[in-house]
Amino acid sequence: DSGVTQTPKHLITATGQRVTLRCSPRSGDLSVYWYQQSLDQGLQFLIQYYNGEERAKGNILERFSAQQFPDLHSELNLSSLELGDSALYFCASSPRLFTGELFFGEGSRLTVL
Amino acid sequence: SQELEQSPQSLIVQEGKNLTINCTSSKTLYGLYWYKQKYGEGLIFLMMLQKGGEEKSHEKITAKLDEKKQQSSLHITASQPSHAGIYLCGADIRNTDKLIFGTGTRLQVFP
Repeated sequence: DSGVTQTPKHLITATGQRVTLRCSPRSGDLSVYWYQQSLDQGLQFLIQYYNGEERAKGNILERFSAQQFPDLHSELNLSSLELGDSALYFCASSPRLFTGELFFGEGSRLTVL
Repeated sequence: SQELEQSPQSLIVQEGKNLTINCTSSKTLYGLYWYKQKYGEGLIFLMMLQKGGEEKSHEKITAKLDEKKQQSSLHITASQPSHAGIYLCGADIRNTDKLIFGTGTRLQVFP
């Protein structure tokens, strides 16, 4: 158990809908990262937050947004969903601004029908 | 194209055999990190390499970093079924605090 909690574990929804994925980092970790993993694209970095502020952005679509709240939990919002958004979405946390040692959650598997 | 390429993409070995997975970067490496993922689960950090020529070992897994070649290798000695999974290398290749991952190597170990 990494100490990172992601909910929901599984989510099935329809195209055009909006979903919110939630992440609770390990106790004391200030950095939160979001990744998307799909068969064709592999593990893609989406966005990173540190202590409530956005620190780095990757290949995140404009239809996606994220935030980190004062209690350090984070949410990833996916809107106008398309079939291609079906993937495993991972949250990871780390105690410092940047470290290559990240602690990953179990992921949220999103299926868009 | 991927900035971190791993080879091979998949590997099937018999228990007890040694194997090597490679990770090559198209850009300068500022640290290299190895992770393991069991199918459908989260990634688990294995080890970190920060200096050229650095070599680290954990149990039967050894990783090396060749900064000049912008390459790292992960070697497993006497593989066991518990080694099965997907191995991913990660790096901050632009020194921008973004950890990106390689294409992954799927390892299967059969008895």
